[in-house]
Amino acid sequence: AQSVSQHNHHVILSEAASLELGCNYSYGGTVNLFWYVQYPGQHLQLLLKYFSGDPLVKGIKGFEAEFIKSKFSFNLRKPSVQWSDTAEYFCAAFNSGGGADGLTFGKGTHLIIQP
Amino acid sequence: DAGITQSPRHKVTETGTPVTLRCHQTENHRYMYWYRQDPGHGLRLIHYSYGVKDTDKGEVSDGYSVSRSKTEDFLLTLESATSSQTSVYFCATEGSGANVLTFGAGSRLTVL
Repeated sequence: AQSVSQHNHHVILSEAASLELGCNYSYGGTVNLFWYVQYPGQHLQLLLKYFSGDPLVKGIKGFEAEFIKSKFSFNLRKPSVQWSDTAEYFCAAFNSGGGADGLTFGKGTHLIIQP
Repeated sequence: DAGITQSPRHKVTETGTPVTLRCHQTENHRYMYWYRQDPGHGLRLIHYSYGVKDTDKGEVSDGYSVSRSKTEDFLLTLESATSSQTSVYFCATEGSGANVLTFGAGSRLTVL
């Protein structure tokens, strides 16, 4: 079965620091990859996605992620974080050769940005 | 968003009682999903539906059943709630064919 691993469960940064959240997936075939964000008290929202093509994808609010096939990784980055980036971040993968059984999510990374 | 409404948004119930959570969507999306979110576990798929009366089990389906009699409604039922089912439940839909899920606001269930 496919699995998604997020390296850090809790990350605390100061404003303006650079961010990188790790994500690895287990499936060796063709996968679609996603990062979702959940702000405090809100539902999950799509941050960015990768299907094919340029392995560096840009999302909303200055986030980007790089797909490295050889490392089975899809790490999320932001050059300079803001207090409003405090949220929970979920990496997710979909096996495009599989059925309709939705996304497999990582366990999430709780990001706290200190002013 | 896909116009997803979950009800109730908050519910407190006692062990052994039945509970039904409703997910209603207005976008005519084919695929609908129920996930539960728990600290340290992320989101785990309970059940999903790929059409009216077409449903299947997810990773953590034990103790849950679902029904989809209309495209717009996907019901999640706990026949006899247990404390381990205390969680936040999210409904999601997918209609673009691009595996992009849109989530509802969540239903927080507490089983005492």
